[in-house]
Amino acid sequence: EIVMTQSPATLSVSPGERATLSCRASQSVSSNLAWYQQKPGQAPRLLIYGASTRATGIPARFSGSGSGTEFTLTISGLQSEDFAVYYCQQNNNWPYTFGQGTKLEIK
Amino acid sequence: EVQLVESGGGLVQPGGSLRLSCSASGFTFSRSAMHWVRQAPGKGLEYVSAISSNGGNTYYADSVKGRFTISRDNSKDTLYLQMSSLRTEDTAVYYCVKPSIAPGVSEYWGQGTLVTVSS
Repeated sequence: EIVMTQSPATLSVSPGERATLSCRASQSVSSNLAWYQQKPGQAPRLLIYGASTRATGIPARFSGSGSGTEFTLTISGLQSEDFAVYYCQQNNNWPYTFGQGTKLEIK
Repeated sequence: EVQLVESGGGLVQPGGSLRLSCSASGFTFSRSAMHWVRQAPGKGLEYVSAISSNGGNTYYADSVKGRFTISRDNSKDTLYLQMSSLRTEDTAVYYCVKPSIAPGVSEYWGQGTLVTVSS
């Protein structure tokens, strides 16, 4: 099983600033990496797939990068609705696995 | 519009059984693989099981292998998860998920159904 490790566990950022979230895979997943956003009481929402492609309807302030074992989600110009928990997930091999999440909170 | 509606959750004692259902609409169900993903209270996400579009291939997380069975009825546009020998650690919200774009990319999620395993 591929282990996904996210850092940091919690990130405090002011509105309008940039947030950078990291995700590391225990072995290469090529570009088969997705990012999800989850707000309290809601199902996760797909943000990014293929490491860098935004899903339908996702604003351009969300961007993803990386390949192999190191990945980054960048959110530029943070808005109030962006404060949530973010998960990375590899879809290279079954079982598909998630990171433990990064909570993005308002500074 | 894709809609996934789970049902069947509830309180069950350890060792008991429960069957979850997911009613799908807004897409051609018989052409889509489907997944179950769960989330324990206050915890992260875990893929539980997956099934191919015709039901011929199934996949399970090690944590549920031999206890859970995924199935589907394409004539009813419905996905199932039969859970047996339930443990307290199976307590979670169970989401029905439709992958799209690529295998394992979970674009569409149901609202989830809560399963609580407790005596």
